[in-house]
Amino acid sequence: DAGVIQSPRHEVTEMGQEVTLRCKPISGHDYLFWYRQTMMRGLELLIYFNNNVPIDDSGMPEDRFSAKMPNASFSTLKIQPSEPRDSAVYFCASSADRRNTIYFGEGSWLTVV
Amino acid sequence: SQKIEQNSEALNIQEGKTATLTCNYTNYSPAYLQWYRQDPGRGPVFLLLIRENEKEKRKERLKVTFDTTLKQSLFHITASQPADSATYLCALDPLGTGFQKLVFGTGTRLLVSP
Repeated sequence: DAGVIQSPRHEVTEMGQEVTLRCKPISGHDYLFWYRQTMMRGLELLIYFNNNVPIDDSGMPEDRFSAKMPNASFSTLKIQPSEPRDSAVYFCASSADRRNTIYFGEGSWLTVV
Repeated sequence: SQKIEQNSEALNIQEGKTATLTCNYTNYSPAYLQWYRQDPGRGPVFLLLIRENEKEKRKERLKVTFDTTLKQSLFHITASQPADSATYLCALDPLGTGFQKLVFGTGTRLLVSP
C-alpha cells in the first residue's frame, strides 16, 4: 500500500491567499484525521471524519479553516484567507477503525509570508 | 488543566546504552497510551501501545511501562543505535474510548552517538 498521500509537500504563499491541502487516505480506512504540528504547540488534532462524515471539528482554530471529504479516497483542508500564524506542518492520517493504528502521511509544510 | 509533558531537551546517549524517555500527564484518565517515532521531515510512525491494565509492553529492543498511579509512561530503547536517533512522541486517548482524539506530547529528541 502507498500509505497516506498528501499534497503539496511544501507550499509558500502570501498572506491573504487561499491554501488547499489534499489527502488520500489508505484504501479501506474509515477514519481520516487532520493534524497540525508547530514547535510551540506540538501535534494537534484539527478535525476527524468517519465514513466521510465530519465527526469533531472542535480543533479547527477559526472559521478560516474548513475541511471536506467528498468521498472515501479524498479529503481537503482549506485555509482562506491564510495568515502567517498558520505556518505549520499539516498532517493527514487515517485508520481502519477507532481502535486501530493511525497512519500518518508525510505532511504538507506550509509557510505563509 | 490537562497536560502531557515530555522532556523538551534532547537526550544524548552513546551507542549500546539504554535510552529512557519519560511521558507524564495530568488530569487525564486514558485507557491507552501510545508511542510514536518521528524522523525529520516525516510523519509520526506508530511504535507501541500499552493499555491501562498493562504494566509493561515489549517489542524487540523497545519497552514501555505505564503507571496510572504516577500518571507516567517510560519508553526504553535497549542497545541503542545511531539509527534510533529521532523524536519520540507519546500520545493518549483522553476519552478512553479509542484513538479518534489522540492528544500528543511535544516529543523528546533522542541522539545516539557512535
